[in-house]
Amino acid sequence: ETGVTQSPTHLIKTRGQQVTLRCSSQSGHNTVSWYQQALGQGPQFIFQYYREEENGRGNFPPRFSGLQFPNYSSELNVNALELDDSALYLCASKQDDRVGTEAFFGQGTRLTVV
Amino acid sequence: AQKVTQAQTEISVVEKEDVTLDCVYETRDTTYYLFWYKQPPSGELVFLIRRNSFDEQNEISGRYSWNFQKSTSSFNFTITASQVVDSAVYFCALSEWTGGFKTIFGAGTRLFVKA
Repeated sequence: ETGVTQSPTHLIKTRGQQVTLRCSSQSGHNTVSWYQQALGQGPQFIFQYYREEENGRGNFPPRFSGLQFPNYSSELNVNALELDDSALYLCASKQDDRVGTEAFFGQGTRLTVV
Repeated sequence: AQKVTQAQTEISVVEKEDVTLDCVYETRDTTYYLFWYKQPPSGELVFLIRRNSFDEQNEISGRYSWNFQKSTSSFNFTITASQVVDSAVYFCALSEWTGGFKTIFGAGTRLFVKA
């Protein structure tokens, strides 16, 4: 196990609702990133936070937002849910924000939008 | 723009066969990192290896080996003497700093190793 924990493990929401997913980083890690993985596809990078500041973002609309807290835990918020938001959401923590630092992933939150 | 292509969607082999997973990437940057991750059925991705763009030295770790060739923009992964426990989805990824951290994963290759 990586020490990265995500909650909840599964979630069902209705289109138009808002959702918050949570991630607890591995001890000693100050960087967290979030990914969306649709069924049968590779993870898509949403954004990265380093010491509570966003320092990288993929091609996701503003309704995908995040927070990183002083203890380096993190939240992913998605507003105005759409059916296409149904996916596995993965959180990964790193010991720093350098490009070459490997990421340690959690087991993900499976979000279903109906 | 970044792009990572894993052309093999699924590969099926019999235990003890060698298997190579292909990864081709595109980037305009000269400084970048390439990674391989393994995703077992449990869902969490497991880091296997990283390579920076200035280090083309191949690497071997037990039954795993990696071949990085900048001339063909490829970073291929070979499993020697495959085992049933190698069955998983394998992802190649490219990371770089372009006005902020950016990373892109390939679509993955699902490997089935049959006993």
